[in-house]
Amino acid sequence: EVQLAESGGGSAQPGGSLRLSCVASGFIFSNNAMTWVRQAPGKGPERVSGITGSGDSTYYADSVKGRFTISRDNSKNTVYLQMNSLRAEDTAVYYCARGRGSNRYNYYMDVWGKGTTVTVSS
Amino acid sequence: QSVLTQPPSVSGAPGQRVTISCTGSSSNIGAGSDVNWYQRLPGTAPKLLIYGSTNRPSGVPDRFSGSKSGTSASLAITGLQAEDEADYYCQSFDSSLSGSVFGGGTRLTVL
Repeated sequence: EVQLAESGGGSAQPGGSLRLSCVASGFIFSNNAMTWVRQAPGKGPERVSGITGSGDSTYYADSVKGRFTISRDNSKNTVYLQMNSLRAEDTAVYYCARGRGSNRYNYYMDVWGKGTTVTVSS
Repeated sequence: QSVLTQPPSVSGAPGQRVTISCTGSSSNIGAGSDVNWYQRLPGTAPKLLIYGSTNRPSGVPDRFSGSKSGTSASLAITGLQAEDEADYYCQSFDSSLSGSVFGGGTRLTVL
């Protein structure tokens, strides 16, 4: 069964850091792009970051560029999201998802984890 | 404000047909980008419902269908069932923003 399991969420103060992890199982991890999507309370989802299967290309939304770093360890079937300089507006549920599609115009997420909650507050 | 606009809520009685619209612009749906739809049941992770504007993943009932025309897309649900009560989100790629964008979501209530 294809599964994704996130961890690492929690509370942080503004300016603080958190590192999210997502462990994949049930598919060939290194062959698949991965992405992080967040959803703040009462808002629609936002794709914040993505990474190709080999890790040679990454994407960041403008809202997190320069503060978040995505990486992956294909030997551990794990993708990470290092979040620095956290702000109150980063408060959200963060989902790990498998990315599909042959190009950015037809990109979609076909498998999602259950999410991990990040709360940034003083 | 989301780049893709959806109605906040729709409702229907069991057995009825409902549609959820997703309005974009010439930089996303109108530029030819595919539209994808996700269903989020209460307390669960989003689930892919429609990809490539009209395609259903394996396991999604054929009661769910997607369409796209011009700068808009629609999700239709026929034979409405109580378990369809959920939040629905559309997603596409925006060339101006160079990234995937989502709609704000539509809450479907089954009366």
